[in-house]
Amino acid sequence: DAMVIQNPRYQVTQFGKPVTLSCSQTLNHNVMYWYQQKSSQAPKLLFHYYDKDFNNEADTPDNFQSRRPNTSFCFLDIRSPGLGDAAMYLCATSRGDRVSYEQYFGPGTRLTVT
Amino acid sequence: AQRVTQPEKLLSVFKGAPVELKCNYSYSGSPELFWYVQYSRQRLQLLLRHISRESIKGFTADLNKGETSFHLKKPFAQEEDSAMYYCALSKFSGSARQLTFGSGTQLTVLP
Repeated sequence: DAMVIQNPRYQVTQFGKPVTLSCSQTLNHNVMYWYQQKSSQAPKLLFHYYDKDFNNEADTPDNFQSRRPNTSFCFLDIRSPGLGDAAMYLCATSRGDRVSYEQYFGPGTRLTVT
Repeated sequence: AQRVTQPEKLLSVFKGAPVELKCNYSYSGSPELFWYVQYSRQRLQLLLRHISRESIKGFTADLNKGETSFHLKKPFAQEEDSAMYYCALSKFSGSARQLTFGSGTQLTVLP
């Protein structure tokens, strides 16, 4: 099945220790998104890639970076995680044309910061 | 700036009863609205889109621009409808569609 895969599903990191979350897709979609979802809150868009073009949301902290080495893979790097960065991180994809409207989500990675 | 509000965090109804999940939005342009659903231990997925005006799994949602609302309704709730429901508003950033989500409503359908 074509899908969006996130690894790992659970990640524990220490305060200040860099961590990387991974997303891959077999849908061949142009756009890949990263969302942060804290407990009982709405998923919040951090940034997205349209092909290799990176688009950062204005209020995304500098601590969050992303890489997209090819169409299939996208990484979320948190350079110095704080306790407030503990959350579910969702990756999503979409086709990136004006006709396509659906975003396809991965299962998420739950990040714990100790 | 756009905003989506779902006033109810939790909603419980009995099987066979009507259900309405509320969603209000603020947006200066012409809104495009969606409902996404997350069943237990499954990923977030699209339920329906206001432009299509179709019924999915018995759910419908009508965009009311006067009241800036997009409430989700089903006349007879089923136990399998129990899930987390998110209302979302879409806008374009360049060619990419961005979603602003509400904080969600956890629906529980009781037997």
